[in-house]
Amino acid sequence: DTAVSQTPKYLVTQMGNDKSIKCEQNLGHDTMYWYKQDSKKFLKIMFSYNNKELIINETVPNRFSPKSPDKAHLNLHINSLELGDSAVYFCASSHSVSRANGYTFGSGTRLTVV
Amino acid sequence: GNSVTQMEGPVTLSEEAFLTINCTYTATGYPSLFWYVQYPGEGLQLLLKATKADDKGSNKGFEATYRKETTSFHLEKGSVQVSDSAVYFCAPAGGTSYGKLTFGQGTILTVHP
Repeated sequence: DTAVSQTPKYLVTQMGNDKSIKCEQNLGHDTMYWYKQDSKKFLKIMFSYNNKELIINETVPNRFSPKSPDKAHLNLHINSLELGDSAVYFCASSHSVSRANGYTFGSGTRLTVV
Repeated sequence: GNSVTQMEGPVTLSEEAFLTINCTYTATGYPSLFWYVQYPGEGLQLLLKATKADDKGSNKGFEATYRKETTSFHLEKGSVQVSDSAVYFCAPAGGTSYGKLTFGQGTILTVHP
């Protein structure tokens, strides 16, 4: 009964491969996010969906494509992986985009590209 | 949009020392302010929050007061423990950025016995 769950927790893959990370929340929240955390712990927002609709799309290579089949799920697909994609990716959710109630985060997916 | 500047780390303290981590923000409107904590190998957890000027958020012995006049939300704890070793993030949300959280660069805290 984890609130925001991500799979897999660890992902090691070779350059050029395509991979997906899945995220699910059971909090009934309307809004979900993907963040990338680099080795210096800096967190950068990548995407946000509100009720399955894309509302934030920061400057991210178009090799990254989010998909939200319903408001409880937000997946991240990455094509043609590069070494610089190695990072920890966090999924998060919040009540709604218009209410500043804070986020609930998943435990992260550590992606290593070799 | 919002922005935030946090005290640079890493911060290293002995157990029972007093902790302050500075945070100043820039925002249009009236943001809510948050502190998140990330323990090693884990995701971020909400530590405390304040939603309006002069509010004090508190949790687990940590406190932060929303100071609108100085646009600050400094995190304090009177006596740190080894288990407080983590990365701490300050984040405003709201105002014209609506519900989007804007994170500071994070401050790494290490507490030695």
